[in-house]
Amino acid sequence: DTAVSQTPKYLVTQMGNDKSIKCEQNLGHDTMYWYKQDSKKFLKIMFSYNNKELIINETVPNRFSPKSPDKAHLNLHINSLELGDSAVYFCASSQAGTMNTEAFFGQGTRLTVV
Amino acid sequence: KQEVTQIPAALSVPEGENLVLNCSFTDSAIYNLQWFRQDPGKGLTSLLLIQSSQREQTSGRLNASLDKSSGRSTLYIAASQPGDSATYLCAANYGQNFVFGPGTRLSVLP
Repeated sequence: DTAVSQTPKYLVTQMGNDKSIKCEQNLGHDTMYWYKQDSKKFLKIMFSYNNKELIINETVPNRFSPKSPDKAHLNLHINSLELGDSAVYFCASSQAGTMNTEAFFGQGTRLTVV
Repeated sequence: KQEVTQIPAALSVPEGENLVLNCSFTDSAIYNLQWFRQDPGKGLTSLLLIQSSQREQTSGRLNASLDKSSGRSTLYIAASQPGDSATYLCAANYGQNFVFGPGTRLSVLP
């Protein structure tokens, strides 16, 4: 049973389109994240949600909008896709605020904008 | 600003060698530090987690140490194998943000 699952795994789309990536965790964690891994493989946080509330919103274009319908889900919607949005997007979850908090990551969604 | 660096950026060793990967973090107010492995085109696999109050954690051939006051962690891999070839990432946990280093790309040659 996959702990953090995200769909789709691959997404190829044209510039200007709107797309969504879904993420679900079955670990009972209270915090979920979206990370972006660029072409240089550097992982950088985009958003962090705790109990459905936005905690961290890094410098991300407002074309990116996270939506957390409940604690177990954090979806990422992207409007007006641009070539520079091509990257791998990872969803993660953790039980925040404790020393033994471990982050669990999904398998990633490889977004290619053409 | 919370930043994490890793050295070396890449490492190529013959099979059987012991090796050390280094991770440094600028803000020592971490909850813990986590080491991950990433294979090409794949997700992140958690290897070890060291709590801020701990000095060391071991799992099989892997040993991770933490010196919180100096902002450093090392991952020691004993008797390396070709299957260890991957990118190794460290992440400093600041509560609701895991700050990642750029990774060390390891190649173990048979």
